[in-house]
Amino acid sequence: QLVLTQSPSASASLGASVKLTCTLSSGHSSYAIAWHQQQPEKGPRYLMKLNSDGSHSKGDGIPDRFSGSSSGAERYLTISSLQSEDEADYYCQTWGTGIQVFGTGTKVTVL
Amino acid sequence: QVQLQESGPGLVKPSETLSLTCAVSGYSISSGYYWGWIRQPPGKGLEWIGSIYHSGSTYYNPSLKSRVTISVDTSKNQFSLKLSSVTAADTAVYYCARLESGTYFDYWGQGTLVTVSS
Repeated sequence: QLVLTQSPSASASLGASVKLTCTLSSGHSSYAIAWHQQQPEKGPRYLMKLNSDGSHSKGDGIPDRFSGSSSGAERYLTISSLQSEDEADYYCQTWGTGIQVFGTGTKVTVL
Repeated sequence: QVQLQESGPGLVKPSETLSLTCAVSGYSISSGYYWGWIRQPPGKGLEWIGSIYHSGSTYYNPSLKSRVTISVDTSKNQFSLKLSSVTAADTAVYYCARLESGTYFDYWGQGTLVTVSS
């Protein structure tokens, strides 16, 4: 079964970096994912597609301080130089034949 | 710039059918792409409901499949969601979005809250 696992929360200070993890279920370590950001009271926003080799393509207007990387079944989103507007929920998403799957989301708090 | 806008009743009675429409601008649905519906119950995460290709072929979340119908109207450049036999558990913000080559959602609507209550 295709499942994405995320930690519920993460925090870091203004101007620091934070690294979020999305883990693919067993047998799906080659899958690409996408990261989405959801700021409070807003709809989700596509950030990037992240491949198993760590290559990624970002959406329009996504700042350079958002980057992605991969290791095995884990997919990472790193936010550098944290800004107050980065306080949001972050969801990973993947896909298979006839199915779309979302992770449970990670809430990022900027201290 | 692709834009999506959900519309429909904000209040639906239990056991009735929820109906929403997503109007697309900045891109012609008939040109391609998959299009999808996602929902988010209050305070919870995102749940994929189903997706449709511009030709009309569909695929649905197995947990909702028996109650969901998604259709497309290329003449109006919009697609629609029907969810039957709703209960309070279907109360959520409903989003429409575009799927890049049937993979990830790259453009999202702002969402519309649907409350199921008598």
